[in-house]
Amino acid sequence: GQNIDQPTEMTATEGAIVQINCTYQTSGFNGLFWYQQHAGEAPTFLSYNVLDGLEEKGRFSSFLSRSKGYSYLLLKELQMKDSASYLCAVHSSGGYNKLIFGAGTRLAVHP
Amino acid sequence: DVKVTQSSRYLVKRTGEKVFLECVQDMDHENMFWYRQDPGLGLRLIYFSYDVKMKEKGDIPEGYSVSREKKERFSLILESASTNQTSMYLCASSLTGMGGYTFGSGTRLTVV
Repeated sequence: GQNIDQPTEMTATEGAIVQINCTYQTSGFNGLFWYQQHAGEAPTFLSYNVLDGLEEKGRFSSFLSRSKGYSYLLLKELQMKDSASYLCAVHSSGGYNKLIFGAGTRLAVHP
Repeated sequence: DVKVTQSSRYLVKRTGEKVFLECVQDMDHENMFWYRQDPGLGLRLIYFSYDVKMKEKGDIPEGYSVSREKKERFSLILESASTNQTSMYLCASSLTGMGGYTFGSGTRLTVV
C-alpha cells in the first residue's frame, strides 16, 4: 500500500524554529512536495525535493532522505501568519503526475 | 497571474440531487485533478484527466463522474448526492512531467 505519515498537530512560539516530519512508503518515488494551507483556503506550494539533501528558501527549508523515506520541513523565525496546515505529498511512480497527500500537520504559532 | 477557478465557494444541495462542480484553468495545463479534503483524512484523489476527453479513476471514484470536453475545464459530477459527500472539494492542475500543482480555492459542499 501507499502511506504518508505526519503529525496531526504541533504548537510553537513566535520567533522559534519548528520541524515538521513526514515519512512515506510508496510504490515509487519521483519527488516530494510541501504545501501550506491556511484555514478555508487552497494549498499553496512551498518546496520540492527530488534528490537527497536540504533545500533552503528564505525562512523555510525542506530535507529529503530517499533511503529512509523521510522528509522534514523546517520553519525558522516563526511568525503568527505561519499558523496553518502543512501538507506533505509524494509524486509516486507512474505517469500523469499524481500526488499522494498526507493528512497534514496543523501548526499553531502563539505569542 | 495564473489561476484555477472553481465556480462556487459554498454549495448546499439536497440528498438525491445531481450536482455539478466546475473548474477552469488558464495555464494550458494538460493534467487536471479533483480531490476531496476531510478532517484527519487529508486530500484524497477522486478523478483526474491528462487530456481532453480522457479520464482516470483515483482512489475514491464511487458516486462521482467527470467530464473534460475542453482543455481548460474539468467538471466533477455527483450523480445522486448523499450526505457522506459533504466535504471540501479541491480542483488542481499541472503540466505533464512537472510536479507542482496549482489549486483552486475549493468548494465546500454540504448535502442535507
